[in-house]
Order: sequence, then C-alpha cells, then structure tokens
Amino acid sequence: AQSVTQLGSHVSVSEGALVLLRCNYSSSVPPYLFWYVQYPNQGLQLLLKYTTGATLVKGINGFEAEFKKSETSFHLTKPSAHMSDAAEYFCAVSSRRRALTFGSGTRLQVQP
Amino acid sequence: EAGVAQSPRYKIIEKRQSVAFWCNPISGHATLYWYQQILGQGPKLLIQFQNNGVVDDSQLPKDRFSAERLKGVDSTLKIQPAKLEDSAVYLCASSDDGTENTEAFFGQGTRLTVV
Repeated sequence: AQSVTQLGSHVSVSEGALVLLRCNYSSSVPPYLFWYVQYPNQGLQLLLKYTTGATLVKGINGFEAEFKKSETSFHLTKPSAHMSDAAEYFCAVSSRRRALTFGSGTRLQVQP
Repeated sequence: EAGVAQSPRYKIIEKRQSVAFWCNPISGHATLYWYQQILGQGPKLLIQFQNNGVVDDSQLPKDRFSAERLKGVDSTLKIQPAKLEDSAVYLCASSDDGTENTEAFFGQGTRLTVV
C-alpha cells in the first residue's frame, strides 16, 4: 500500500520569503515521488519528480525537493516566494506500475 | 503538442440523473486515468486503462459509475444515477507507458455539481 501525508492544509508566506511545503510518504517498495501544482480552475502540472539517483531534485519555477529515505519525506522548497506561486500543491507517490496516489494538498498563499 | 482534452468543463444535474464525461488523451499515450477530486481533497483514482484494457478499477463505485475506452484512444466516464456526494471535479490524465516514473499529464477537468 502507498500513501502520502501533507502537513498543513494552508501555508501563508510573505513575498520573498522561503517556501516550505511538507510531504511524508508510506510505501512498501521504493517509491517514485512527485509534486504537482494546481492553479484555480486548471488541471495539475508537474513541478518535479524523484525516481532514482540524486536525492535533491530541481523542478520548474525555482522549486526543489529532497528525498530523505530515513525520514520518509519529500519536502518542497523555494528560496524566495513570488506572488505567482499562490496555488494548491499536491505531493504524490507511485510504485510498481500503480497510478499516482495524492496527498490532500496544501494551499499556498503569498502575501505582498 | 495538444494536451489532454476534456468536456464539458462544467455540468449541473439533479440527483438521480445520469451524466457522461469525455476525455481525449495526448496522442500516442497508452495509459489513461480518471480521477475524482472532491473539494478540499487530493485527486483519487477511479480507473486506469492501458490501451483499451482496465488495469485498476478497484476504487470505482461500479454500482453507479462506468467507464470505457473502446478503441484505446478517447474515453467516457458515466455516472448513473448521480448522488449529491458525486459533486466533484473529474480529472482525466494520460501517460505514454504507464510506468510509475513517467509523468501523467492532466486535463482541466469537468466540474460536476449535483443538486
């Protein structure tokens, strides 16, 4: 079985501040991990993914995430928030040809 | 390249009515997914197709939901009869080979409101 827990349904940061969105996963086999972003009335867009190899993964729009097996975590970060980053962010896990299992999402607000 | 196309974008129906959603995946993508996203929750897989065969429909409420992908290209998802709790966004996604490390591309979704 696989599952994802996202800590914090809402996160608010100031423009220019660090963004940290938390994700912990559970998987009985080595996982593949993803972060997707969803803007209002839009579908989901892939930000980044971890499959194998380097544990620090860089994605689009300046986001990155680090896979930490010992902590079963895959937290998403961005050094400096921009107003355009306001959206809903979903962490997801897949393994063994199974479809993505999503977390419940974190809504990011960016204050001017 | 063209993305995943879904229609309609919005649908309002009364409970006990039936409704159908359509999805056209990215050309050449063998795997197609239907997800249900209830307000405030993450998407939940309803059904996964590989070409025109079903890979996983374990979370599809088969007493009222059905889906088909007859020619291995586009797909329809039907609800009959609809319940109030079916109000959600229905997302279609596709990927080229369906392996766990390939990206799934999502359509904009169909927002269903059951009144």
